[in-house]
Amino acid sequence: DIQMTQSPSSLSASVGDRVTITCRASQSIASYLNWYQQKPGKAPNLLIYGASSLQGGVPSRFSGSGSGTDFTLTISSLQPEDFVTYYCQQSYTTPLSFGGGTKVEIK
Amino acid sequence: QVHLQESGPGLVKPSQTLSLTCTVSGGSISSGDYYWSWIRQHPGKGLEWIGYIYYSGSTYSNPSLKGRVTMSVDTSKNQFSLKLSSVTAADTAVYYCARVIKRTEYLDYWGQGTLVTVSS
Repeated sequence: DIQMTQSPSSLSASVGDRVTITCRASQSIASYLNWYQQKPGKAPNLLIYGASSLQGGVPSRFSGSGSGTDFTLTISSLQPEDFVTYYCQQSYTTPLSFGGGTKVEIK
Repeated sequence: QVHLQESGPGLVKPSQTLSLTCTVSGGSISSGDYYWSWIRQHPGKGLEWIGYIYYSGSTYSNPSLKGRVTMSVDTSKNQFSLKLSSVTAADTAVYYCARVIKRTEYLDYWGQGTLVTVSS
């Protein structure tokens, strides 16, 4: 099975900051990496698929990059609604697997 | 707009079988472009993929659940279902259903989730 490791597990930032979240796969997954945002009490919402493609309706301040084993999610300018939790997910092979999550908190 | 809605008991006794149904609206479950998936989230924890089913009935489930998972699909009702047998307190979680894009296997639409508690 492919293990997904996210870092950091939490971070503190301010509105307007640029933040980067990292996701590492235990083996190469090409570009089969997806990012989700989860607000408290809600289902995850797809942000980025295929490592760098922005899902429709997602603000352009979100971007993704990487291939192979190392990936990043970048939020260019944090907005108040962005202080929630983010998960990566590999879709290279089953069983599908998620990272442990990164909680973005207000500094 | 595709909408998914989970339904089923919120309380299950230990050793019994957890049963959930996901009703899909706004799109056909018989489309060959998608899998239909179950994911769970233990309280305060991360996401665990349970498995998925194709409209034809073929399935794949996470080996970590040690063969306790059964999934089925009812195309006439546009629904798919999950059964998890021999539950314990460790199966207490929010259970989500979701649509999976078949080629690239990302989850683009999710249900709101339903909390299932395992307790006597």
